[in-house]
Amino acid sequence: DTAVSQTPKYLVTQMGNDKSIKCEQNLGHDTMYWYKQDSKKFLKIMFSYNNKELIINETVPNRFSPKSPDKAHLNLHINSLELGDSAVYFCASSQTGNYGYTFGSGTRLTVV
Amino acid sequence: EDQVTQSPEALRLQEGESSSLNCSYTVSGLRGLFWYRQDPGKGPEFLFTLYSAGEEKEKERLKATLTKKESFLHITAPKPEDSATYLCAVQASGSARQLTFGSGTQLTVLP
Repeated sequence: DTAVSQTPKYLVTQMGNDKSIKCEQNLGHDTMYWYKQDSKKFLKIMFSYNNKELIINETVPNRFSPKSPDKAHLNLHINSLELGDSAVYFCASSQTGNYGYTFGSGTRLTVV
Repeated sequence: EDQVTQSPEALRLQEGESSSLNCSYTVSGLRGLFWYRQDPGKGPEFLFTLYSAGEEKEKERLKATLTKKESFLHITAPKPEDSATYLCAVQASGSARQLTFGSGTQLTVLP
């Protein structure tokens, strides 16, 4: 299946821990994104990579660090997790010239 | 700063009862306006892109229209399977392709 896939789907962890979320797309797209969806359903851009180069870095704590080993993968590493980091994180991809995104199914992060 | 406001927040319809969802936006030059459908526990699923005022697009029971200040998603004779949250987003020209989303309209269609 052609898709954007994220792992894990659920992540429950304690405050202060470090965790990673992985994302892979097999659509051949050249741009990948991380969005955060809060409890009020707002989706906000966090990061974007185009061909492994960081092109968007919104006001996000330094504890969040994206890594793109190749244009099909974009991972999100979070250090020293805080309660306020609890949210659903979505990965998405798009292709230059085609403005639509394809989203993954999300990772629900709960920090306790 | 780009802004998107969707109304109503929630809408309950009887099966077959047509209605419209509203998306008002302010953006520094519109590259595209997007409609997505989001089911619980899933990622947003692309529905439409509209690029200029006056444009309309249709898909089954859904029709999206665009003016210079707002977009409407018209749902004709909805069915229970149309129940979902509908998200509107804008992409500004000159942006690095990020989308600015509204908070969505949660639609429930009762049988």
